[in-house]
Amino acid sequence: GDSVTQMEGPVTLSEEAFLTINCTYTATGYPSLFWYVQYPGEGLQLLLKATKADDKGSNKGFEATYRKETTSFHLEKGSVQVSDSAVYFCALSQKSGGTSYGKLTFGQGTILTVHP
Amino acid sequence: DAGITQSPRHKVTETGTPVTLRCHQTENHRYMYWYRQDPGHGLRLIHYSYGVKDTDKGEVSDGYSVSRSKTEDFLLTLESATSSQTSVYFCAIGTGDNYGYTFGSGTRLTVV
Repeated sequence: GDSVTQMEGPVTLSEEAFLTINCTYTATGYPSLFWYVQYPGEGLQLLLKATKADDKGSNKGFEATYRKETTSFHLEKGSVQVSDSAVYFCALSQKSGGTSYGKLTFGQGTILTVHP
Repeated sequence: DAGITQSPRHKVTETGTPVTLRCHQTENHRYMYWYRQDPGHGLRLIHYSYGVKDTDKGEVSDGYSVSRSKTEDFLLTLESATSSQTSVYFCAIGTGDNYGYTFGSGTRLTVV
């Protein structure tokens, strides 16, 4: 079945450092790929997405490129802020038969802590 | 999040008791999902629904049942709670077709 693997955390950075969180996937066909962010005590929020190979999703300074040849969707940000401290989840979505149920398969999550 | 409400937000219950969690949406979306979140596992799908009275099992459905008698409400029931069901439960709504989800704020359930 489909699966998503994220880099082990937690990740601790100083403010303004460069961030990379690795994400690779195993899936048949052409899934859509997502990054979600979860701030303390809250639900998950969609951060960015890409629906086909070579697409780049971007939002709030974060970027990720859908790389089908390496089955990867790594999250990057050039200069992190304390407010970026959160848990980040990579996920994929497949269509199910002829009906788009859009079920998401999640990675295990990566905790990011940014210090001033 | 706007348009989706989970209740209760927190609950402590005893082993063997039934528990029902509620997810309510105001946006008339067809698809609704129940996930549980546990450390080291990310989010795992319990059950989902693609319309009134249309539901199906996810990857961790044992010990859980769901009902959807109205578009706006999706109920998750633990028939006889066990300690292994201590978790944070998230409801989500979606349009399907690769647009991602909107998540509720979660229910933290503790089974003692």
